Amino acid sequence: GENVEQHPSTLSVQEGDSAVIKCTYSDSASNYFPWYKQELGKGPQLIIDIRSNVGEKKDQRIAVTLNKTAKHFSLHITETQPEDSAVYFCAAKIDNFNKFYFGSGTKLNVKP
Amino acid sequence: DTGVSQDPRHKITKRGQNVTFRCDPISEHNRLYWYRQTLGQGPEFLTYFQNEAQLEKSRLLSDRFSAERPKGSFSTLEIQRTEQGDSAMYLCASSSPGQIYHTQYFGPGTRLTVL
Repeated sequence: GENVEQHPSTLSVQEGDSAVIKCTYSDSASNYFPWYKQELGKGPQLIIDIRSNVGEKKDQRIAVTLNKTAKHFSLHITETQPEDSAVYFCAAKIDNFNKFYFGSGTKLNVKP
Repeated sequence: DTGVSQDPRHKITKRGQNVTFRCDPISEHNRLYWYRQTLGQGPEFLTYFQNEAQLEKSRLLSDRFSAERPKGSFSTLEIQRTEQGDSAMYLCASSSPGQIYHTQYFGPGTRLTVL
């Protein structure tokens, strides 16, 4: 099966700075990579996703990049705000399979 | 669209008791997933339904676990003879038949504590 590794496990930034979270995957057949934000006591919320035929996708302050050759993808948050503080998870899905494989999460703390 | 709902939100039980959780997916979402999440970890896949058919089960789903989706709408996850190791957040997600990549939307989860 797929193995997704996520780094760092914790990230602390000053408000207004950028934050980058990186994930690697093992199965070259993975073709869909969503990112989720999870606040305390809540379920994961989809914030952005990218398909394997795209190298980069941007949505306001959030962007995701994908390097298929190196099998890694990253989440970039610019102009961070205190409300961005949460745990972020990356995930990967193998083509023609039903389940998602999640990274272990990154706890982002944005200091005001 | 009211989102995925789960009930109860919290459950405390004694070891050896049976518990049942319910998930109501987003309406018209024919795909439904159950995940388990322990503290400091990402969600781990448990099982997947397409309509009422359970198409995939993880090896994590021991004989004590059973899931159903009898009419292709809501689903239940039952854990029999609970153990302390079952303490976790149980998450349900659903996705639309129109989503070729199975984009999943999660519910708020049921937090289970086994004493």
